[in-house]
Amino acid sequence: GAVVSQHPSRVICKSGTSVKIECRSLDFQATTMFWYRQFPKQSLMLMATSNEGSKATYEQGVEKDKFLINHASLTLSTLTVTSAHPEDSSFYICSARGMPNEKLFFGSGTQLSVL
Amino acid sequence: QKEVEQDPGPLSVPEGAIVSLNCTYSNSAFQYFMWYRQYSRKGPELLMYTYSSGNKEDGRFTAQVDKSSKYISLFIRDSQPSDSATYLCAMSASNTGKLIFGQGTTLQVKP
Repeated sequence: GAVVSQHPSRVICKSGTSVKIECRSLDFQATTMFWYRQFPKQSLMLMATSNEGSKATYEQGVEKDKFLINHASLTLSTLTVTSAHPEDSSFYICSARGMPNEKLFFGSGTQLSVL
Repeated sequence: QKEVEQDPGPLSVPEGAIVSLNCTYSNSAFQYFMWYRQYSRKGPELLMYTYSSGNKEDGRFTAQVDKSSKYISLFIRDSQPSDSATYLCAMSASNTGKLIFGQGTTLQVKP
């Protein structure tokens, strides 16, 4: 099956620094990628949708200037958490799919801990 | 009220038992229904995908959708310790890929 690679799997950073998370589709071209955040014992919450070559669409309540999303190619999307604070500590997961009507595949997630 | 409600459990069953996992939802526009399995601190893995109402079977897994009751279920037959994980229901009104997830039910299958 299709594989989505997410890196890094875990990152610890100091408050005020920026962190970049990469999401790659390894064996298909991902026209659309999604970014989710998951707090402990809670559901996945959609943060934003990105289509290759266009600006990301953010869900209500998600700060686009804080969570920068870039989808510059059909196989790579990045999420940058700018000026991270402890409340940004969470599990971030990307998902990707090729053409419409195709299945979604999820990355393995990134555990972000901000000290 | 959340759009999708799912009992977080935990649910503990002996090996070989039939497991029933459920979600209810409030948005009658949902047409696409999925069940994902998630191991601790890993990405979700798609188990079952159903469009509209009806049943779907795949091996030991059966998914049921009752749109009239806004209720979906996942049954696991002959449960195994390796089935121990968190099971998330997810649904969508359109095939855009934007999913609304339930909270997830933690399942433990004891040997």
